[in-house]
Amino acid sequence: GENVGLHLPTLSVQEGDNSIINCAYSNSASDYFIWYKQESGKGPQFIIDIRSNMDKRQGQRVTVLLNKTVKHLSLQIAATQPGDSAVYFCAEKKGGSYIPTFGRGTSLIVHP
Amino acid sequence: KAGVTQTPRYLIKTRGQQVTLSCSPISGHRSVSWYQQTPGQGLQFLFEYFSETQRNKGNFPGRFSGRQFSNSRSEMNVSTLELGDSALYLCASSGVAKPETQYFGPGTRLLVL
Repeated sequence: GENVGLHLPTLSVQEGDNSIINCAYSNSASDYFIWYKQESGKGPQFIIDIRSNMDKRQGQRVTVLLNKTVKHLSLQIAATQPGDSAVYFCAEKKGGSYIPTFGRGTSLIVHP
Repeated sequence: KAGVTQTPRYLIKTRGQQVTLSCSPISGHRSVSWYQQTPGQGLQFLFEYFSETQRNKGNFPGRFSGRQFSNSRSEMNVSTLELGDSALYLCASSGVAKPETQYFGPGTRLLVL
């Protein structure tokens, strides 16, 4: 697909497993973080967000964890399904800015 | 609510031509941002418009320009197309209540030959 490049990390899991996608962010002044999912041929779709005053936030089958000490963000997907196959992007936003900075993305492949 | 829409979805142009892409944001959203996505560079920010004014700009040459209309619809224009302009161009809108959360359209796939 259009989002798969030579340097895109890939995570392969079996259907039903839990998936963990990691993201290292760069700016200690970032105060808002977002995870997006992008399926082939589509634009990025908002999944879940978290502010810097939180460590964890849960959605439907997804959990985002934020570790500000090591500037690390993770997205956990429970009971991964084939429909979860996509590229996942993390984005960070610095306080006072309207524009997020996107990571390179991780390709998640779910095998039935 | 209808999502962000972009037209056209696919476009083929030749070097030296110019192109105009259109974006209609989610109803009520006043901020529209444009991004270029390529396999090699990922998602790169082009510019953002709010209330018909360019509020933020990325590091792209002046060949890339945009505008926003009073109904918040936005267009971006690329003049003197180069082969390297081939990419997926994404538009995203955000609302006043939560301005940092952007919602993306499906993109326009531009191929420059």
